[in-house]
Amino acid sequence: DVKVTQSSRYLVKRTGEKVFLECVQDMDHENMFWYRQDPGLGLRLIYFSYDVKMKEKGDIPEGYSVSREKKERFSLILESASTNQTSMYLCASSLVSGDAYNSPLHFGNGTRLTVT
Amino acid sequence: GQNIDQPTEMTATEGAIVQINCTYQTSGFNGLFWYQQHAGEAPTFLSYNVLDGLEEKGRFSSFLSRSKGYSYLLLKELQMKDSASYLCAVRETAGNMLTFGGGTRLMVKP
Repeated sequence: DVKVTQSSRYLVKRTGEKVFLECVQDMDHENMFWYRQDPGLGLRLIYFSYDVKMKEKGDIPEGYSVSREKKERFSLILESASTNQTSMYLCASSLVSGDAYNSPLHFGNGTRLTVT
Repeated sequence: GQNIDQPTEMTATEGAIVQINCTYQTSGFNGLFWYQQHAGEAPTFLSYNVLDGLEEKGRFSSFLSRSKGYSYLLLKELQMKDSASYLCAVRETAGNMLTFGGGTRLMVKP
């Protein structure tokens, strides 16, 4: 079974702090994603990565950056946390193959971040 | 861009059948996914449709009509453990990204 592990389940940070959310997957997946999930808004894509050192903006990248130095690890960085970044953050990974388009996303359990 | 709509909440009775609808508008379509998410847990993959028709997987079935921009998830013989949110997600032809609807929270009552 694919395992996607997020380093923290709950985090509380202060406004202006730099925040790192870490995600590791153990199935050698090429694709990795960061979403945030808010009531009524569903999952919204922040950033994704197709390969090491590659990153692409999703729908809501403002206020975030990412790092993919190793294939198995994808980090989300909040440079200066703000209260509107209080949310559930979900990391996911998927395989790229000849039949890539039906490759489902495998999600981590999420990190609930509160910015005060 | 994409626009994906699904009902916010539904209630059904244990043992019954429920249909959760999803409509979408997209500039390019390359597959529709359904995920189940229990409260406080990660979404888990349920089904995938890329061609028109019905895909059956045990108690769960998913239907797609590309011309209508419409899909539904059918849950039969409902069990209490089926109480969860059900997420519809569409993949565009360009790229490997999924865009999610807001999710439908299903409550199964005895």
